[in-house]
Amino acid sequence: QSVLTQPPSASGTPGQRVTISCSGSSSNIGTEAVNWYQQLPGTAPRLLIYNDHQRPSGVPDRFSGSKSGTSASLAISGLQSEDEADYYCASWDDSLKGYVVFGGGTKVTVL
Amino acid sequence: QLLLQESGPGLVKPSETLSLTCSVSGGSISSSGHYWGWIRQPPGKGLEWIGAIYYSVGTYYNPSLESRVTISVDTSKNHFSLKLSSVTATDTAVYYCATAVIKDDAYDHWGQGTLVSVSS
Repeated sequence: QSVLTQPPSASGTPGQRVTISCSGSSSNIGTEAVNWYQQLPGTAPRLLIYNDHQRPSGVPDRFSGSKSGTSASLAISGLQSEDEADYYCASWDDSLKGYVVFGGGTKVTVL
Repeated sequence: QLLLQESGPGLVKPSETLSLTCSVSGGSISSSGHYWGWIRQPPGKGLEWIGAIYYSVGTYYNPSLESRVTISVDTSKNHFSLKLSSVTATDTAVYYCATAVIKDDAYDHWGQGTLVSVSS
């Protein structure tokens, strides 16, 4: 069972907006930044969002992140077929000596 | 452009030690501000952070694996390594090495991953 909670699946038609939630606690999302990763089938994960809402160079602005309290969200606007992938949220957790925690992942399907 | 490449045995026997190396090119592993980490993914499952080393500062491990994990850096070979002892079938996974350049725990460069199976 993952420390961060994500819905197992989400879907939308091309052009739609899809939102993925990520729920945590005061020891992680509530006090630390959230990062989001995209994993296309058979490939390594790719950093999509860091520091809650910042995009690394090369990531389209269709992807956006936000955070409120102990929850975070990833939004994909103008959904495209190539966005079909698994998406993971992650954060540092301050408990014990500190470590990175991941969500269980959300499979996004483009209908 | 930082490039990372994992290497090591694809098959390990139960109770033995899994050893992997991540070779780094395009940059120095002793560069300040970089976290060098290991993340794994069991077949068909999600990502699990194993741990990371912050060069000249220290190591951080997942509490669930800490008693069995060692991550180290070899600056002469520009690579870092993972050792996981007393493995069982539940340690079967694709193991990724990655580095966080843009921010401490945001892994922005990844290796392609290597599948390690634990079986007799």
